Amino acid sequence: ILNVEQSPQSLHVQEGDSTNFTCSFPSSNFYALHWYRWETAKSPEALFVMTLNGDEKKKGRISATLNTKEGYSYLYIKGSQPEDSATYLCAPNGGSQGNLIFGKGTKLSVKP
Amino acid sequence: DTGVSQNPRHKITKRGQNVTFRCDPISEHNRLYWYRQTLGQGPEFLTYFQNEAQLEKSRLLSDRFSAERPKGSFSTLEIQRTEQGDSAMYLCASSLVLDRLSALGNTIYFGEGSWLTVV
Repeated sequence: ILNVEQSPQSLHVQEGDSTNFTCSFPSSNFYALHWYRWETAKSPEALFVMTLNGDEKKKGRISATLNTKEGYSYLYIKGSQPEDSATYLCAPNGGSQGNLIFGKGTKLSVKP
Repeated sequence: DTGVSQNPRHKITKRGQNVTFRCDPISEHNRLYWYRQTLGQGPEFLTYFQNEAQLEKSRLLSDRFSAERPKGSFSTLEIQRTEQGDSAMYLCASSLVLDRLSALGNTIYFGEGSWLTVV
């Protein structure tokens, strides 16, 4: 069973601040890592799917890196905006074809 | 809206009653997943289907839970003899998998979830 840790648990920043979160997972039997953004009362939104060590992906002001050898991924948000307020979840694939193992998420609040 | 659709969005039921949730995946997606989220936790995997075949079930899926996808399109998740511990959000998701090799890197799209409260 994979143990996925996300830190910090919550984060409060001012509009314009840049921020980053960490997702840690066992490095053995790695297949893929998924990042999601989940706003209240909406469906989780897929941000990135990362598979290769050293992968870097970017979507607007959000980017992510992946280190499969040491078992971590970073999510960066540049110039946070109030609309970035959400819970950010990471989920490595559990080694099967369908089983994502989610962390508890990092809850981001951006104050205007 | 062509996303994953779930209904009902909210259900309040008395302990011991049966409830059923429906999920309509994104059209042409061959994989369909069910997850459950309780307070303070990330979503937990329950089961998934490839077309109409149920390929994996979590140990979380007790005998009171049954999921079906009879025609390989929509799916239902039924909970029999509900207990207070079943109170959670039930999330459905879907993806398109063209081959086994690429399956693990495919994006999985989620619905908005169905809230269950057992009183």
